[in-house]
Amino acid sequence: GQSLEQPSEVTAVEGAIVQINCTYQTSGFYGLSWYQQHDGGAPTFLSYNALDGLEETGRFSSFLSRSDSYGYLLLQELQMKDSASYFCAVRVNAGNNRKLIWGLGTSLAVNP
Amino acid sequence: EAQVTQNPRYLITVTGKKLTVTCSQNMNHEYMSWYRQDPGLGLRQIYYSMNVEVTDKGDVPEGYKVSRKEKRNFPLILESPSPNQTSLYFCASSLAGPNTEAFFGQGTRLTVV
Repeated sequence: GQSLEQPSEVTAVEGAIVQINCTYQTSGFYGLSWYQQHDGGAPTFLSYNALDGLEETGRFSSFLSRSDSYGYLLLQELQMKDSASYFCAVRVNAGNNRKLIWGLGTSLAVNP
Repeated sequence: EAQVTQNPRYLITVTGKKLTVTCSQNMNHEYMSWYRQDPGLGLRQIYYSMNVEVTDKGDVPEGYKVSRKEKRNFPLILESPSPNQTSLYFCASSLAGPNTEAFFGQGTRLTVV
């Protein structure tokens, strides 16, 4: 089967750096995405990696290693508003299907 | 303003009473999809559509139907809702496929009693 694994919970303090890992076992991998979701709200897109390496967007960075089937989201200078759930998602192809497979999410709590 | 609009936001219904959740996007996106989100199970794709009149099953399609007669609209139909379809539902659209940035609607919280 196809699966993504990420930690269920992470806790950090304001101003710190946190890394949320995602390992995947999928067929036909086409890229790794990250989304943020505040309680009860709509997920919002953070980043997408199709190639190996680090992509930086402000305080957030995302990394991918296709050979290791692994990626991570790095959040720097944490703020209270970063408390949310973070999901990794992988695009897979299966025949004519083009789908996103989602991890179960990592709940990040940022404490003062 | 670019957006995905779902209606209704909240719905309580009874078992077996057909319902439709509407979804509309104003970004001329080709790819649209429906998800359900349940505690501990993350986001699971129900159906997706790669373009007008092109739809396909996601991971949990049983008990649901969709249609894509126009590019902007992608309604989710529950012909005979059951309590196990109580969930938070999201519609999403993206420009050209699931690896491009997806924009989500605000969600529909459905309770089937």
